[in-house]
Amino acid sequence: ETGVTQTPRHLVMGMTNKKSLKCEQHLGHNAMYWYKQSAKKPLELMFVYSLEERVENNSVPSRFSPECPNSSHLFLHLHTLQPEDSALYLCASSQEISETYEQYFGPGTRLTVT
Amino acid sequence: SQELEQSPQSLIVQEGKNLTINCTSSKTLYGLYWYKQKYGEGLIFLMMLQKGGEEKSHEKITAKLDEKKQQSSLHITASQPSHAGIYLCGAGLSSGGYQKVTFGTGTKLQVIP
Repeated sequence: ETGVTQTPRHLVMGMTNKKSLKCEQHLGHNAMYWYKQSAKKPLELMFVYSLEERVENNSVPSRFSPECPNSSHLFLHLHTLQPEDSALYLCASSQEISETYEQYFGPGTRLTVT
Repeated sequence: SQELEQSPQSLIVQEGKNLTINCTSSKTLYGLYWYKQKYGEGLIFLMMLQKGGEEKSHEKITAKLDEKKQQSSLHITASQPSHAGIYLCGAGLSSGGYQKVTFGTGTKLQVIP
């Protein structure tokens, strides 16, 4: 596999469930990102990991818990979500090249909270 | 915080027509990215601009960053159905090995054959 992959592609969960989103990058990048894309709202940055260390948390509620066990994998653990958390969750990775940080995105996980 | 406003919000054009999408920032842009997104999918990188007055082209798409570095435009020449999608501009802010990107509101483009 090449690029950035995300699983599952679609997820439906109840408000009391616990689930995890997985992201894997095969590009050798050292930074990984979680974004949330809701209808009619700009794409929002949630978390950033650089060299496996969380460096940005964009005021995300604690019901979202990220994990980066190694430079290739990124998880987003979900628990006690609300219906307004339904959105497309996108993972991305990047590597600095000549002061450019082109981010490569995965296809996203479409999450529906019932 | 930096905010990006895109215009128009949506656009429907006949195949073969030219079109322009604008991106205006509330603050100076130090790195401006253009991405394309097919509905419900990930983003595909198009171009990145850094210098005032810079212009880049790829196939039939040209992006420009104005001299004051607060506005960018994306121009598509002779549009095709394959150009349809959502176009997003993003302002990058570097911070030691990674970059935070603030995205614009997006422009939805439909191309009618």
